[in-house]
Amino acid sequence: ETGVTQSPTHLIKTRGQQVTLRCSSQSGHNTVSWYQQALGQGPQFIFQYYREEENGRGNFPPRFSGLQFPNYSSELNVNALELDDSALYLCASSPRLVGDEQFFGPGTRLTVL
Amino acid sequence: GQNIDQPTEMTATEGAIVQINCTYQTSGFNGLFWYQQHAGEAPTFLSYNVLDGLEEKGRFSSFLSRSKGYSYLLLKELQMKDSASYLCAVSEYGNKLVFGAGTILRVKS
Repeated sequence: ETGVTQSPTHLIKTRGQQVTLRCSSQSGHNTVSWYQQALGQGPQFIFQYYREEENGRGNFPPRFSGLQFPNYSSELNVNALELDDSALYLCASSPRLVGDEQFFGPGTRLTVL
Repeated sequence: GQNIDQPTEMTATEGAIVQINCTYQTSGFNGLFWYQQHAGEAPTFLSYNVLDGLEEKGRFSSFLSRSKGYSYLLLKELQMKDSASYLCAVSEYGNKLVFGAGTILRVKS
């Protein structure tokens, strides 16, 4: 059974650019959530997708957007990058919508210069 | 609002027992999770409590009191590899997790 994978591992961008991060869910998982983790902080919920529909959003501006595909892989897009967007971006999948542990991917470390 | 509090840092000795506390105040509650995160790595699942009481899993136990908005993670027979950040997280709705800032545990020999 393949775990959650994310790409790329590291990324360096400059202010104002756009970035797309990718996540492959664990086999059989139809729910994927994205989190932003700043250094020394806990992960902050960005949004969640369930069967290709957004199912909840945290306190992030609209320039953070996402997609979930029929194979349940997912993308996180961030437009107009700001310095404060520098963080570890984690994707987590779970087999059901409620009451299951979430399996985290290794994350993408984004640095905005 | 939502608020999850846990101590910033703790230090304990190899072989000892340590308890990491977590208090929470969230708009919804579908359960409480504990995750372990080593530096530079993804969080890994340790425990899940949805009903009051103690859940035991090997060297790790987790306790929940919903009426008090309180949980703790108990680690027994500490090993050096247990040095990590421990994250308390509440599932608000769906599987949306609200995380605390994490407790950095340092195990010394």
